Amino acid sequence: ETGVTQSPTHLIKTRGQQVTLRCSSQSGHNTVSWYQQALGQGPQFIFQYYREEENGRGNFPPRFSGLQFPNYSSELNVNALELDDSALYLCASQKAGSTDTQYFGPGTRLTVL
Amino acid sequence: KQEVTQIPAALSVPEGENLVLNCSFTDSAIYNLQWFRQDPGKGLTSLLLIQSSQREQTSGRLNASLDKSSGRSTLYIAASQPGDSATYLCAVRRDSNYQLIWGAGTKLIIKP
Repeated sequence: ETGVTQSPTHLIKTRGQQVTLRCSSQSGHNTVSWYQQALGQGPQFIFQYYREEENGRGNFPPRFSGLQFPNYSSELNVNALELDDSALYLCASQKAGSTDTQYFGPGTRLTVL
Repeated sequence: KQEVTQIPAALSVPEGENLVLNCSFTDSAIYNLQWFRQDPGKGLTSLLLIQSSQREQTSGRLNASLDKSSGRSTLYIAASQPGDSATYLCAVRRDSNYQLIWGAGTKLIIKP
């Protein structure tokens, strides 16, 4: 167990809708990253939050946004869902300033119809 | 732009065999490299992390090597077991930020 949880496990939405995915990190891990993993591919970095502020972003449009809260939880919000947004979404937590590994949650499987 | 490639995409071997998984990257200026295991419904588990100044890391039956100059890393699994069946991914971390760049993974099946 990594101590990182995600909800929901699975989610089905239709094109154009909005979705919020949630992640609860380990206590003391004030850095959280979100990744999108399409089927058969490696994860793609979406963005990273440190102390409730975004401090790094991958090649994803603004309709992907996030929030991080003081209680080590975070959210990934996706607006105007597209079919290509169907993927496994992973969050990972890490101690700030650490070069150690990130700890991943089990992911949320999002299907957009 | 850093690109990470893993070959083969899938591998099936009988139980007990030693095997090697390969990872290559295009930019040798990495901070560290990690090998992960992914099981369905269980997310990603870190197996080994090699800092850029290191040549290898070992954990139990696993040994990972790193050759920055050639842009290659290998994951050696000794005496494979059916429980080793999973997808193995490598990821490199760029200098000065925490972003991981991932390969697509090798799906490993160990036949009893």
